[in-house]
Amino acid sequence: EAQVTQNPRYLITVTGKKLTVTCSQNMNHEYMSWYRQDPGLGLRQIYYSMNVEVTDKGDVPEGYKVSRKEKRNFPLILESPSPNQTSLYFCASVGSLRPEAFFGQGTRLTVV
Amino acid sequence: QQQVKQSPQSLIVQKGGISIINCAYENTAFDYFPWYQQFPGKGPALLIAIRPDVSEKKEGRFTISFNKSAKQFSLHIMDSQPGDSATYFCAASMDNFNKFYFGSGTKLNVKP
Repeated sequence: EAQVTQNPRYLITVTGKKLTVTCSQNMNHEYMSWYRQDPGLGLRQIYYSMNVEVTDKGDVPEGYKVSRKEKRNFPLILESPSPNQTSLYFCASVGSLRPEAFFGQGTRLTVV
Repeated sequence: QQQVKQSPQSLIVQKGGISIINCAYENTAFDYFPWYQQFPGKGPALLIAIRPDVSEKKEGRFTISFNKSAKQFSLHIMDSQPGDSATYFCAASMDNFNKFYFGSGTKLNVKP
């Protein structure tokens, strides 16, 4: 089954404690992105990657890092989380043949 | 500054009625306009999409109307069903597989 898998689904952490949210896709897609979803703001892109070792900032990159060492994986790293990063996060992948984004199930992050 | 403006924020429709969600954009370089449907606890999934060379696209009960001169597009759900209750996001892209600009979302509730 074609899918994008994120882990964990839920996470509560404290301010300043580094965390990583993993994302993996099994569709051999070149393009991957991270979005955050906040009420009234829709989905905003954090970072994206066009292929292995190629990443770039989206619209709201401050406080986040990413890496793309393998084509299937695209982890999101928060090195020093703050309460304003409390949000619902989605990883998405897109293949090169059509511009359809496939989303993971989401990770609800709470930073206290 | 949101690149795609979506309204209404929420919508209540009786079963069998027509649901209409509107979006507007400013950037004339956009050339791909998808709609995504999101059920609670799930990631968004592509519902229907249109390119600006056509004014309407229909798939089953779902229709996108596109007005290039007004820079507006809308989703019409005919014969709305309780199973259509979800959050709907419009989006726009420059056919760039990395970059989608999402609207703020519309929460649709179809009452039985």
